[in-house]
Amino acid sequence: AQSVAQPEDQVNVAEGNPLTVKCTYSVSGNPYLFWYVQYPNRGLQFLLKYITGDNLVKGSYGFEAEFNKSQTSFHLKKPSALVSDSALYFCAVRPLSGGYQKVTFGIGTKLQVIP
Amino acid sequence: DGGITQSPKYLFRKEGQNVTLSCEQNLNHDAMYWYRQDPGQGLRLIYYSQIVNDFQKGDIAEGYSVSREKKESFPLTVTSAQKNPTAFYLCASTDRGRGEQYFGPGTRLTVT
Repeated sequence: AQSVAQPEDQVNVAEGNPLTVKCTYSVSGNPYLFWYVQYPNRGLQFLLKYITGDNLVKGSYGFEAEFNKSQTSFHLKKPSALVSDSALYFCAVRPLSGGYQKVTFGIGTKLQVIP
Repeated sequence: DGGITQSPKYLFRKEGQNVTLSCEQNLNHDAMYWYRQDPGQGLRLIYYSQIVNDFQKGDIAEGYSVSREKKESFPLTVTSAQKNPTAFYLCASTDRGRGEQYFGPGTRLTVT
């Protein structure tokens, strides 16, 4: 069975500092990985995805994520955090191959950027 | 604007009543999904549909029902059989069931 672990319930970072939100996954075969962001009482917004190719993926709002196959990780990063980045972040995975495949979401990590 | 709409944003019901949550998309996506979000549990899949007139149970389908009579619409009914219906419900869609999901703004259901 596939799974996603987001080991930190909350990450606190000072504005202007780099941020990392951690994600590790388990899936059969090659992974198709996603990061989403959720602001309070809103739906999820897609940030970025990894399919194949370069291990560093760039996405929306200056976010990027690093895929590490040996560590089965897909950590979300940003060089300089903004207060407006404060939100709930979800990592998700599905198998890359095949037609429809179920997507499994992590439980989310709350990012708090401190002014 | 293209996107997914959910209505209403807030919904209050008494125990024992069925309630239907609306989800409409104008993205021309084939696949649509319903998730339930509870604090500390992430998103759990209730039902999904890959094509009109077909849908499949997700991980927590008991007490819920859906229909997919039109490509654009995927309403969710929360029945009185759902033991703990109070939650935030999210609808999503993808193009041909692949790629990133597009989410609606959600409906917060409170049952007392």
